[in-house]
Amino acid sequence: GAGVSQSPSNKVTEKGKDVELRCDPISGHTALYWYRQSLGQGLEFLIYFQGNSAPDKSGLPSDRFSAERTGGSVSTLTIQRTQQEDSAVYLCASRPGSGRFNYGYTFGSGTRLTVV
Amino acid sequence: AQRVTQPEKLLSVFKGAPVELKCNYSYSGSPELFWYVQYSRQRLQLLLRHISRESIKGFTADLNKGETSFHLKKPFAQEEDSAMYYCALGNNNDMRFGAGTRLTVKP
Repeated sequence: GAGVSQSPSNKVTEKGKDVELRCDPISGHTALYWYRQSLGQGLEFLIYFQGNSAPDKSGLPSDRFSAERTGGSVSTLTIQRTQQEDSAVYLCASRPGSGRFNYGYTFGSGTRLTVV
Repeated sequence: AQRVTQPEKLLSVFKGAPVELKCNYSYSGSPELFWYVQYSRQRLQLLLRHISRESIKGFTADLNKGETSFHLKKPFAQEEDSAMYYCALGNNNDMRFGAGTRLTVKP
């Protein structure tokens, strides 16, 4: 597609329920990233996918968080047993490949998750 | 460790005044630094990159390796510059962001 697409744009869920957030990167972009944007916390790195390599999961805050990327394209971020502190905007970004960041990232518009 | 610090969460200036958004970093290698901007109800977008030494919308940022800084500057702020600004440091794999500075330009 022309840009990074994320769905849903807004999600309200009850505490304890599982949620899935979807990211469709720019076609041909092999690198895909998930970040969490919270008030006053900036952008917190969660996970990084590069091609067929094992993902870098070092930013996932707990084992309730997981992500996968099927066919090197669409990615799903899953949060199990959601907690109120999971409420945030979850941003996805992609770029053409690994190596130097000559062109930075292209971000999606995010999914605003509210846990009630 | 790789870290980006933006010491000001909020910054308010009057239209026409100079503005400087501070960014300091720590990184052991050769840094790649960026400024991203998020206007109200819009997605996060790249503003400028240190390697291109460009001026975008009147903003410039100079990498100072001695002071490990990459401050964003504009000589005459405009109301449309009001937004959230993030400084970011990239390595070979991922990018780390500061906490952001919310700039408000008052008329």
